[in-house]
Amino acid sequence: DAGITQSPRHKVTETGTPVTLRCHQTENHRYMYWYRQDPGHGLRLIHYSYGVKDTDKGEVSDGYSVSRSKTEDFLLTLESATSSQTSVYFCAISSSNTEAFFGQGTRLTVV
Amino acid sequence: GDSVTQMEGPVTLSEEAFLTINCTYTATGYPSLFWYVQYPGEGLQLLLKATKADDKGSNKGFEATYRKETTSFHLEKGSVQVSDSAVYFCALSDHGGATNKLIFGTGTLLAVQP
Repeated sequence: DAGITQSPRHKVTETGTPVTLRCHQTENHRYMYWYRQDPGHGLRLIHYSYGVKDTDKGEVSDGYSVSRSKTEDFLLTLESATSSQTSVYFCAISSSNTEAFFGQGTRLTVV
Repeated sequence: GDSVTQMEGPVTLSEEAFLTINCTYTATGYPSLFWYVQYPGEGLQLLLKATKADDKGSNKGFEATYRKETTSFHLEKGSVQVSDSAVYFCALSDHGGATNKLIFGTGTLLAVQP
């Protein structure tokens, strides 16, 4: 299995609080991605990174920010969590000549 | 922008039945195409891929052919098993491009009954 770890695996938080999800890789892959998975929508891209400090928005980036200060870590932050951000979040990594490898997911519930 | 459309599920089949899950795409360049599978409670894992037109990806009895003329990448299996029950996602990527961005379809739930 590719070395990719998401933390935490489960989190319950209150509306309006900040939340940070972490994705850590040991594969030295250049590209990292954050997706959310919701029934009827499949996986939707939130943000992605194509290098250290190089990030860009995906299709559902509103309310989310990311940071990548080193190759192995890609952080996803919800500045002020809302109930609509209750979802399962997946991190993925890839390089130019490999497919994407996914983490086990983080189940986030905003109450 | 680039997008992927796949047939809605759920698809319910009896064991040993033939499976087809349709997938079509819209892309400005020449993307790579993928099928990923997600078993209950797990993350996604690559099932098969094709990187150029007319390529056929295959794995575990599943096959899909990259059809540029119809912008399609339909997933097929001749005889499904109960263990194939999962959600299947079609995806595209500008693999090797500037961003390697990976775009998914909405997923198709397959339920195979004994």
